[in-house]
Amino acid sequence: GAVVSQHPSRVICKSGTSVKIECRSLDFQATTMFWYRQFPKQSLMLMATSNEGSKATYEQGVEKDKFLINHASLTLSTLTVTSAHPEDSSFYICSARRAGALNEQFFGPGTRLTVL
Amino acid sequence: GENVEQHPSTLSVQEGDSAVIKCTYSDSASNYFPWYKQELGKGPQLIIDIRSNVGEKKDQRIAVTLNKTAKHFSLHITETQPEDSAVYFCAASSPSGYSTLTFGKGTMLLVSP
Repeated sequence: GAVVSQHPSRVICKSGTSVKIECRSLDFQATTMFWYRQFPKQSLMLMATSNEGSKATYEQGVEKDKFLINHASLTLSTLTVTSAHPEDSSFYICSARRAGALNEQFFGPGTRLTVL
Repeated sequence: GENVEQHPSTLSVQEGDSAVIKCTYSDSASNYFPWYKQELGKGPQLIIDIRSNVGEKKDQRIAVTLNKTAKHFSLHITETQPEDSAVYFCAASSPSGYSTLTFGKGTMLLVSP
């Protein structure tokens, strides 16, 4: 149990375009999902926390208009990188917390975004 | 906010040896301490976790110890195998807000046959 999927696993896009990444909890309901960004050889940095049916909470320094997060159901959250630039190229990872769970987060396999 | 320090940044051991990775945290309210293993190009995988009401937890070759007074916790891997080679991250979470995780910078473990 506690499987989280992400789609796509890899995406290459042109500068100025938008890219949508999906995060799904496959076998549990997730009231809270998290989005992280990880640059090469670095740790995971939390970008935002999303709760089903409400607006996401963004970490300091993360532009909410650039990284649009939607958590429309208990099993799906999406991250849209708008007007992508080469500096947005990174490994984006989502995680999900079971409804009613205290702290545990289960991570997806990540999405490698390359902006040309 | 919480700050998690992790050492060492790299660790090389021979197959069969033990490996120890240490982390310290700053927020005394933190009460959940997971350890993740991340292989190249993949998402982090939870390998073991411990809560603040427990001092030690063991799962086969992996153990975690927690010293709340000193605010540090450690991962112990015994009888290491080449497939243990990966980057390991510690994290800490407090019960406030959304109970977000703060990660250490990671330790690259290399187990040589």
